[in-house]
Amino acid sequence: EVQLVESGGGLVQPGGSLRLSCAASGFTFSNYWMSWVRQAPGKGLEWVATIHQHGSEKFYVDSVKGRFTISRDNAENSLYLQLNRLRADDTAVYYCASFSASYYFFEWWGQGTLVTVSS
Amino acid sequence: EIVMTQSPATLSVSPGERATLSCRASQSVNSNLAWYQQKAGQAPRVLIYGASTRATGIAARFSGSGSGTEFTLTISSLQSEDFAVYYCQQYNDWPPYTFGQGTKVEIK
Repeated sequence: EVQLVESGGGLVQPGGSLRLSCAASGFTFSNYWMSWVRQAPGKGLEWVATIHQHGSEKFYVDSVKGRFTISRDNAENSLYLQLNRLRADDTAVYYCASFSASYYFFEWWGQGTLVTVSS
Repeated sequence: EIVMTQSPATLSVSPGERATLSCRASQSVNSNLAWYQQKAGQAPRVLIYGASTRATGIAARFSGSGSGTEFTLTISSLQSEDFAVYYCQQYNDWPPYTFGQGTKVEIK
């Protein structure tokens, strides 16, 4: 059974930092592109970042470029998102998601971790 | 950036009735479109990819159609568990991967 389990969310002040983690199991993690997708309270889904199977390529939505960093550790079957210089509009549930084996839609999702940016 | 527009924002349907949801892309995405269902307090799950292929384990009452810029998700006979928010997402031209704003299917 595929499982993606996020952790690391919490309350942080504007300008602060957090590191989110996603532990993957039930599939060959190193074979899959991985992503973070977020959802602000009461809002829709927004793609945040994606990383190649081996970490050689990374892509970000414009609003987080220079502030967020996606990374992975294939030996640990883990995905990360470093969030720096956080703003109030970064408040959201952050989901870890994997692409399918052949196409770039989000096949598997974690349950999400809530990041709240507030003073 | 490709903008995805869903309509209507809210759809009120009685159980057993048919529901038709629309998604329009600002430029062609070929058939590189997925539909997701999200229930309250849960993560999204994929229903349809490639515009018309049901994902593993998805009931046959869900069907997708369209290509280019116009897409439709049809739920042939709504069950109680189908009341949720539905999102379309294009993966033809990226980054960014873009979602529609969602259609909420509620009980009439």
